[in-house]
Amino acid sequence: SAVISQKPSRDICQRGTSLTIQCQVDSQVTMMFWYRQQPGQSLTLIATANQGSEATYESGFVIDKFPISRPNLTFSTLTVSNMSPEDSSIYLCSGGAETETQYFGPGTRLLVL
Amino acid sequence: GENVEQHPSTLSVQEGDSAVIKCTYSDSASNYFPWYKQELGKGPQLIIDIRSNVGEKKDQRIAVTLNKTAKHFSLHITETQPEDSAVYFCAASKGGSYIPTFGRGTSLIVHP
Repeated sequence: SAVISQKPSRDICQRGTSLTIQCQVDSQVTMMFWYRQQPGQSLTLIATANQGSEATYESGFVIDKFPISRPNLTFSTLTVSNMSPEDSSIYLCSGGAETETQYFGPGTRLLVL
Repeated sequence: GENVEQHPSTLSVQEGDSAVIKCTYSDSASNYFPWYKQELGKGPQLIIDIRSNVGEKKDQRIAVTLNKTAKHFSLHITETQPEDSAVYFCAASKGGSYIPTFGRGTSLIVHP
């Protein structure tokens, strides 16, 4: 299994600013993903973080709004840019190795005022 | 693409009762079915998974069954305890694709 940590665990931000969320995995994983979860809702995939190349974004999510980096097999960042109150959500990082099993981080709870 | 339906959305049981959560999937090529438990304020935690080459898997009080023909799979929790209270998500993914499709979640409430 993989243990995933995220920083920060929560933040309150002003609209128009940006926040970068860090995701660290304790072992090398093939795949890393970023999700958004609205309160009481399921998980919505934002993008697949690709090591050494541009992330692959799902429909409705764009690089200018959610730039993602993945410099190596254990670390990734997600930036939420030019935030508005609609960006208030839980942001989750997940990672998986050769099998399909994905492990999730504890999440970053973001409130935009 | 894959579509995963999960029922019920809310399940309330008494401590000691059994709980069953059901999911159906649409893509017959899906072959990996994990279940996650998400407690309040935490990220989803993998609790059990099953692959399409088996029909049932158990781990202490939890079990998962898979019916490939009917394209549905279920989570069974026996002797429920208050600490089982959480939101449970099912998911389905295809071999070679690491991106699962998640159900909408079931909020399980176990009353002492």
